Amino acid sequence: AQSVTQPDIHITVSEGASLELRCNYSYGATPYLFWYVQSPGQGLQLLLKYFSGDTLVQGIKGFEAEFKRSQSSFNLRKPSVHWSDAAEYFCAVGPFRGGTYKYIFGTGTRLKVLA
Amino acid sequence: SQTIHQWPATLVQPVGSPLSLECTVEGTSNPNLYWYRQAAGRGLQLLFYSVGIGQISSEVPQNLSASRPQDRQFILSSKKLLLSDSGFYLCAWSPNMNTEAFFGQGTRLTVV
Repeated sequence: AQSVTQPDIHITVSEGASLELRCNYSYGATPYLFWYVQSPGQGLQLLLKYFSGDTLVQGIKGFEAEFKRSQSSFNLRKPSVHWSDAAEYFCAVGPFRGGTYKYIFGTGTRLKVLA
Repeated sequence: SQTIHQWPATLVQPVGSPLSLECTVEGTSNPNLYWYRQAAGRGLQLLFYSVGIGQISSEVPQNLSASRPQDRQFILSSKKLLLSDSGFYLCAWSPNMNTEAFFGQGTRLTVV
């Protein structure tokens, strides 16, 4: 079955420091991959997505992610974190080829930014 | 442009009462529609999805049901709420297989 693992529940970084959020997926073929961000009490906003092609994708707010097929990973990075980046981040996979229209999400990583 | 509306934003309901959450999408036709529930530490759990009117796929057997009476309307219901139904409910839509899902602002449901 398809699944997404985000091993870090909470991450704390200092403002200006670099950030990497980990995401691993389980799927038998090349998936569609996404990173979303959620501010408290709000819906989810798409940061970036990978469908095919260049494995390093750029997103909004200075985020990027790299798809590594050999590691089944899609880690999110930002070179310099801003206090406004404090939020919860979700990795997702789907919808799946073959007619299963689901998007499967990880459990999320809550980012805290220290001033 | 397309927009998604979800209401109400917050809801407090007693145990045993019924539930109806509504989601509508504007500016598109035949969207795929989704209901997710978010509980602390559990991420987004897919509850139901629909690829057309009257077509509902259930992912998690539970106290909830979903209906799609119109092309761009998706309703989440319960006949009798349980305490465990509390959570943050998110509606989402996508236009087809090759795009991301777009989310509404969510409904915070507290069952007391």
